[in-house]
Amino acid sequence: DGGITQSPKYLFRKEGQNVTLSCEQNLNHDAMYWYRQDPGQGLRLIYYSQIVNDFQKGDIAEGYSVSREKKESFPLTVTSAQKNPTAFYLCASNPRQGVVDTEAFFGQGTRLTVV
Amino acid sequence: SQQGEEDPQALSIQEGENATMNCSYKTSINNLQWYRQNSGRGLVHLILIRSNEREKHSGRLRVTLDTSKKSSSLLITASRAADTASYFCATPPSGSARQLTFGSGTQLTVLP
Repeated sequence: DGGITQSPKYLFRKEGQNVTLSCEQNLNHDAMYWYRQDPGQGLRLIYYSQIVNDFQKGDIAEGYSVSREKKESFPLTVTSAQKNPTAFYLCASNPRQGVVDTEAFFGQGTRLTVV
Repeated sequence: SQQGEEDPQALSIQEGENATMNCSYKTSINNLQWYRQNSGRGLVHLILIRSNEREKHSGRLRVTLDTSKKSSSLLITASRAADTASYFCATPPSGSARQLTFGSGTQLTVLP
C-alpha cells in the first residue's frame, strides 16, 4: 500500500536533547512538508522540500532542522534550541514540485512530549 | 502567515442535520482545499476547488467558493456521528504557492 509513514507514534524527549522524527513515503512524490500542531490549533509549517537536497524554511523553522538526501525520506530533527517542542508533528507530501494544486497526503503524526 | 480562517471554531449538531463551515482567506488563490482530521490522527483530503469553480460536490459534501468575497463554505448534509472531526481549509498563500497554509479549523461534533 502506498502512503506516508511517520515514526515513532509517540516520542519523549528530555530537555536539552535533540530528537529526530522519521517520515518516509513510497508515493514517488516530489514535495514533502513538516507541520506542527498544538492542541486545538491549526497546522503551522516548519520546513518543506520540493526536490532532493533542497528545502526551505516555513513559518516556524527556528529550533528545527531537516534533510532530504533521498526522495522518499524527509526526517525532522527537533534541536535543544526549540524551547517548547511538545506538540503533534505531521508530515505531508504532494505529487509534484511547484504550485500546490493537488491534494496533499498526510502521515498519522508523531506526538512529541518533553519530560 | 495564516491564510485561511474557519468559522465557527466549534459546531455541535444532531445526527441527520446539515453542518456548514466557512473559511475566509486574505489574498488571491488558485485553489482552496478542505481537509478532515479525526482526533489524534493525520489529515485526510476532502475536496479541492479551483479559483475558476464556484461549486463542487463529493457525496454528502458540497463546497462553494466566492473569490469576490474571499470565502468558501463546506456543507455536510445528513450528518452522521462518524462525521465528528476537525475540518480545515487550506490554500497556497500569495507569494509562496509551493506550500499550503491551514486555518485553525472547525471542531464538528455530531450527536447521535
